[in-house]
Amino acid sequence: GAVVSQHPSRVICKSGTSVKIECRSLDFQATTMFWYRQFPKQSLMLMATSNEGSKATYEQGVEKDKFLINHASLTLSTLTVTSAHPEDSSFYICSAGKREVEFFGPGTRLTVL
Amino acid sequence: QKEVEQDPGPLSVPEGAIVSLNCTYSNSAFQYFMWYRQYSRKGPELLMYTYSSGNKEDGRFTAQVDKSSKYISLFIRDSQPSDSATYLCAMSVGANSKLTFGKGITLSVRP
Repeated sequence: GAVVSQHPSRVICKSGTSVKIECRSLDFQATTMFWYRQFPKQSLMLMATSNEGSKATYEQGVEKDKFLINHASLTLSTLTVTSAHPEDSSFYICSAGKREVEFFGPGTRLTVL
Repeated sequence: QKEVEQDPGPLSVPEGAIVSLNCTYSNSAFQYFMWYRQYSRKGPELLMYTYSSGNKEDGRFTAQVDKSSKYISLFIRDSQPSDSATYLCAMSVGANSKLTFGKGITLSVRP
């Protein structure tokens, strides 16, 4: 199997606070993990590629100082949304690479009030 | 031209129908092809994965790749209401490379 978990599944926070989302590969090691966000009725938008032990690679238009990514081990990557604002409200999904395939987590719904 | 084009939806079929979902791509460097199913408010689930031209079958699902025409398809036989979801095609150039997705098509199977 290839199971990826995310925590929390849902978070509501006040504007200006920071939120951390964890992504774990439960039964395999992943040197590469990916972070996406998804707006309603739209496809996945890649935010960044996270490589274990090195800095993340951000897609064009994604603020690296706002979306902090850490990939400290082969089974854990974290995304921290700093100073969250209502426009950051979205569905955040991580995936972990296993050979040529990505396995996705269940997603985290972030609501910023 | 986008790298990956997916037939627009939504698509509604009666239970038991054969469903054909299609994507075309322009980048000949793509070597790995995947189909994901995504239920509302859930992460995408890998359905099929293939890397060579031809057909690959898994239960009611058949993935077809034609590299010469840069065309991939997913066929669903004996469709069920539980197949109602959004289907995303995805492809990559190699291991640990980012995926390029189609826009997705929403399928509804009517009982």
